[in-house]
Amino acid sequence: AQSVTQLGSHVSVSEGALVLLRCNYSSSVPPYLFWYVQYPNQGLQLLLKYTSAATLVKGINGFEAEFKKSETSFHLTKPSAHMSDAAEYFCAVSFPPSGSARQLTFGSGTQLTVLP
Amino acid sequence: EAQVTQNPRYLITVTGKKLTVTCSQNMNHEYMSWYRQDPGLGLRQIYYSMNVEVTDKGDVPEGYKVSRKEKRNFPLILESPSPNQTSLYFCASKIAGGTFSYNSPLHFGNGTRLTVT
Repeated sequence: AQSVTQLGSHVSVSEGALVLLRCNYSSSVPPYLFWYVQYPNQGLQLLLKYTSAATLVKGINGFEAEFKKSETSFHLTKPSAHMSDAAEYFCAVSFPPSGSARQLTFGSGTQLTVLP
Repeated sequence: EAQVTQNPRYLITVTGKKLTVTCSQNMNHEYMSWYRQDPGLGLRQIYYSMNVEVTDKGDVPEGYKVSRKEKRNFPLILESPSPNQTSLYFCASKIAGGTFSYNSPLHFGNGTRLTVT
């Protein structure tokens, strides 16, 4: 079955430290992968997406993610955390035409806390 | 401005009193979807629509209805709300149809926080 898993429902980092949020997928076909961010009292916004053009994808606010087919992973990183990065982050996967018509499946989310 | 608009933002109601949450998008998107967000469970899809008059169940459709009579609108209807439907609801839309639709992102509304007592 095709699915997406986010490891760690809560992650805390100090301001200035590396941010690493983990996402793994299970799929029999190459997927399209997305990271969304949800700030308090807001809807989700797209951070970045992987669509097979390049394995290292750069997004907004200094975030990037690397697609690793051998590890079926799409982890989100940022070299130096800011207080404003505190939010909930969702990994999502879409499976090309042979997949679901639902278009996107979301992980359960990771709440990022940035400590001063 | 391209956007998905949900109303109301906050709603408190009582068990059994029918309610409708409206959703409208101005991007001419074919695909629209409703999600509920609960702590520890992430986003779960309730219903989705690939186009006008085309709707289908998501992961948690029980207790909900939808309709898609116009391309821009996709209301969520709770005929007889119950306390277990207390949640944060999101409407979203995207391009659908064709190969490139699978890598087009979802655009979300700001959410509706529903409390059923």
